[in-house]
Amino acid sequence: DGGITQSPKYLFRKEGQNVTLSCEQNLNHDAMYWYRQDPGQGLRLIYYSQIVNDFQKGDIAEGYSVSREKKESFPLTVTSAQKNPTAFYLCASSPSSIGSYEQYFGPGTRLTVT
Amino acid sequence: AQSVTQLDSQVPVFEEAPVELRCNYSSSVSVYLFWYVQYPNQGLQLLLKYLSGSTLVESINGFEAEFNKSQTSFHLRKPSVHISDTAEYFCAVRAGSSNTGKLIFGQGTTLQVKP
Repeated sequence: DGGITQSPKYLFRKEGQNVTLSCEQNLNHDAMYWYRQDPGQGLRLIYYSQIVNDFQKGDIAEGYSVSREKKESFPLTVTSAQKNPTAFYLCASSPSSIGSYEQYFGPGTRLTVT
Repeated sequence: AQSVTQLDSQVPVFEEAPVELRCNYSSSVSVYLFWYVQYPNQGLQLLLKYLSGSTLVESINGFEAEFNKSQTSFHLRKPSVHISDTAEYFCAVRAGSSNTGKLIFGQGTTLQVKP
């Protein structure tokens, strides 16, 4: 089955620790995206990548980092610099960043930092 | 800058009643419009989209949305809802000229279908 996988589904960390969220897709999509979802605020874009070995900051990139070394993988690291990391994180992909394509979403990872 | 406003944060409705979820966007350029649905603790699923052509678009499960350029709206409607339609619904817009593929999302509307 083609799709986007995110792991783990639930993640718990202590404050001050960095944590990496996994996102893998086997759809052969060029573009990948990371969003953060908080209640009542919709989805906000953290980082995006239009092609392998390239990525750009989104609207709320502070305290986060990404890499795109392989086409199918776009991991997100939540660093200790992120002031309020507890949230639901969603990864998405699209065949291309150009054109009328929609984004396809993974199941999400719920991160809780205490 | 583009923005999307979903005018209702929660919409309670009885089963088999009609429903409308409202979405307005601001953009000075041509846009693509999307409605996504999210069930609890899951990712988003595309419900329907407007790219061009007919302003009325339909989904396979009975939802429809109409693109109104003059009112910059893309309201979602269903003539008769089911319990299983209970979910959160997101409206999103993308500039037609965008080369980043960035979507701008509304805040979401929770549809609560009561028996």
